[in-house]
Amino acid sequence: KNEVEQSPQNLTAQEGEFITINCSYSVGISALHWLQQHPGGGIVSLFMLSSGKKKHGRLIATINIQEKHSSLHITASHPRDSAVYICAVSLYNTDKLIFGTGTRLQVFP
Amino acid sequence: ETGVTQSPTHLIKTRGQQVTLRCSSQSGHNTVSWYQQALGQGPQFIFQYYREEENGRGNFPPRFSGLQFPNYSSELNVNALELDDSALYLCASSYLGGAGNYGYTFGSGTRLTVV
Repeated sequence: KNEVEQSPQNLTAQEGEFITINCSYSVGISALHWLQQHPGGGIVSLFMLSSGKKKHGRLIATINIQEKHSSLHITASHPRDSAVYICAVSLYNTDKLIFGTGTRLQVFP
Repeated sequence: ETGVTQSPTHLIKTRGQQVTLRCSSQSGHNTVSWYQQALGQGPQFIFQYYREEENGRGNFPPRFSGLQFPNYSSELNVNALELDDSALYLCASSYLGGAGNYGYTFGSGTRLTVV
């Protein structure tokens, strides 16, 4: 079993839909990261969370430390949101990053 | 901010050869981490360098080695390349301080193909 699990693996949506991507982890963490990877390969850091909720534009990330679960929400989705969204956790005792396998999102006009 | 730059962007090597990949560090950062991402998989931690020394290593054989320079840039070296080494290699710089590792900034990656 992977230490970081994401669901769904693949997601398609129509423009304007509300999207939720989930991440569960089984290790002690100091922080959780949501990352966006476009087809070219480069990764952009969206959020770093250790508790509660963060919002940036149409993106919202939440984390429940007790349940070891985080969600990334995209409101009013747009085709330019199409990318792979990766959840990664910083291990509590080492701060090393462990990544989930990603959620491939496609938003159609 | 200068961002993180990786070079080269693409590379084709023959099995058994050696390769060196390079990564700059974002201004103000002191740590570089390297990751291997196979097609369709999440990145796997290779190792991290902090103040020019290895500061943790993932499950990769010794033929994967690295260096960090005084300006915090880093190299990843892979000897005796195998076909399974074909992947996207990502580096990320960050600031490691008393409160942990912050500000992860990723490069665009080097896509290595071993034939």
